[in-house]
Amino acid sequence: KNEVEQSPQNLTAQEGEFITINCSYSVGISALHWLQQHPGGGIVSLFMLSSGKKKHGRLIATINIQEKHSSLHITASHPRDSAVYICAVRNYGGSQGNLIFGKGTKLSVKP
Amino acid sequence: EPEVTQTPSHQVTQMGQEVILRCVPISNHLYFYWYRQILGQKVEFLVSFYNNEISEKSEIFDDQFSVERPDGSNFTLKIRSTKLEDSAMYFCASIEGGGPYNEQFFGPGTRLTVL
Repeated sequence: KNEVEQSPQNLTAQEGEFITINCSYSVGISALHWLQQHPGGGIVSLFMLSSGKKKHGRLIATINIQEKHSSLHITASHPRDSAVYICAVRNYGGSQGNLIFGKGTKLSVKP
Repeated sequence: EPEVTQTPSHQVTQMGQEVILRCVPISNHLYFYWYRQILGQKVEFLVSFYNNEISEKSEIFDDQFSVERPDGSNFTLKIRSTKLEDSAMYFCASIEGGGPYNEQFFGPGTRLTVL
């Protein structure tokens, strides 16, 4: 059983659309990360959350600790947002910070 | 802005050969990690390192793997005798402190191809 589940696995959107990617997890966590992976493979950290909501530009991340669920929203999507978005959690009580990753959501934004 | 760097970006090796993947974490960071991602699969934790010793390792990190911080700046992952299934993208990451609320910074990755 995967400890971190993401949906959808693949998402195609038209430029300008509002996008939501979901992440559910089954373990107790101390933090949840949203990461972006471009076709070249590099990983960039977008957000780290332990509660509530964070916003950076057109990106918004929310987390509901009681429901063990997080969402990543992209407003006014653009083709340059095309990437794989990965949810990863830090296991509560685990040692120094290793992350458990979801399989990722591949987003393609068409012009 | 400080960043984690990794070299080489791509390494091709023959099965059975030793490889060393290099990482330079951000200079004031204390905790270091290696992850790997086999093509088409999710990223997996390999090992974490703090205070010059391994703090945790996964089942993947067997006797063929070792890590070292030889000079206070580099953080290396050595695979002693590579197998075909070691072909993957290897990511180094670091965080400033070990508290659960600190952000993890990733390097750009090294793509290892074992022939």
